[in-house]
Amino acid sequence: AQSVTQPDIHITVSEGASLELRCNYSYGATPYLFWYVQSPGQGLQLLLKYFSGDTLVQGIKGFEAEFKRSQSSFNLRKPSVHWSDAAEYFCAVGGPTGGGNKLTFGTGTQLKVEL
Amino acid sequence: GAVVSQHPSWVICKSGTSVKIECRSLDFQATTMFWYRQFPKQSLMLMATSNEGSKATYEQGVEKDKFLINHASLTLSTLTVTSAHPEDSSFYICSAPKPGTVAEAFFGQGTRLTVV
Repeated sequence: AQSVTQPDIHITVSEGASLELRCNYSYGATPYLFWYVQSPGQGLQLLLKYFSGDTLVQGIKGFEAEFKRSQSSFNLRKPSVHWSDAAEYFCAVGGPTGGGNKLTFGTGTQLKVEL
Repeated sequence: GAVVSQHPSWVICKSGTSVKIECRSLDFQATTMFWYRQFPKQSLMLMATSNEGSKATYEQGVEKDKFLINHASLTLSTLTVTSAHPEDSSFYICSAPKPGTVAEAFFGQGTRLTVV
């Protein structure tokens, strides 16, 4: 069975500081990995995704993530956080054996940005 | 660009009544849509897969008779919460596969259901 673990429930960073949100996954084959962001009361917006190839992927809003198969991780990073980045971030895993578009989400990390 | 529209964005209903939530794909067709439920400060849990022209596939533990799903057209799926109870209060989100991709999806804005 596929699963996703986001060990940090809450993270607080100062504006301008760097950010790393952790994500570990369990999947029986090569996974499709995603990071989504959710603002209060809103749906999810895709930040970036990894399917294959270069293990460092670039996304929107200056975010990037690195796939590390040996560590089963897909951590999200941003060099300099902006106050507007405060939101809930979800890591998700999917793939062919999971029915393609059937995603399993982590429990999310709530990001707070201090001015 | 292609988006998924979910309506209503919020609804309050009395216990025992039914509530219908609509999920529409705009500018693209979706033979499959997904319904998720999100409890406060928790992750999204897949409830069911909606299949156009056939029965929905429910995840383990989800009551089929309580959460009725209808996917009558290639652009519309509906979730009806029947005989709603306060414990059904939650945030419901739908998604539709992004055309031409394998695992990407567009998500609706979500519906905040409060049962009083």
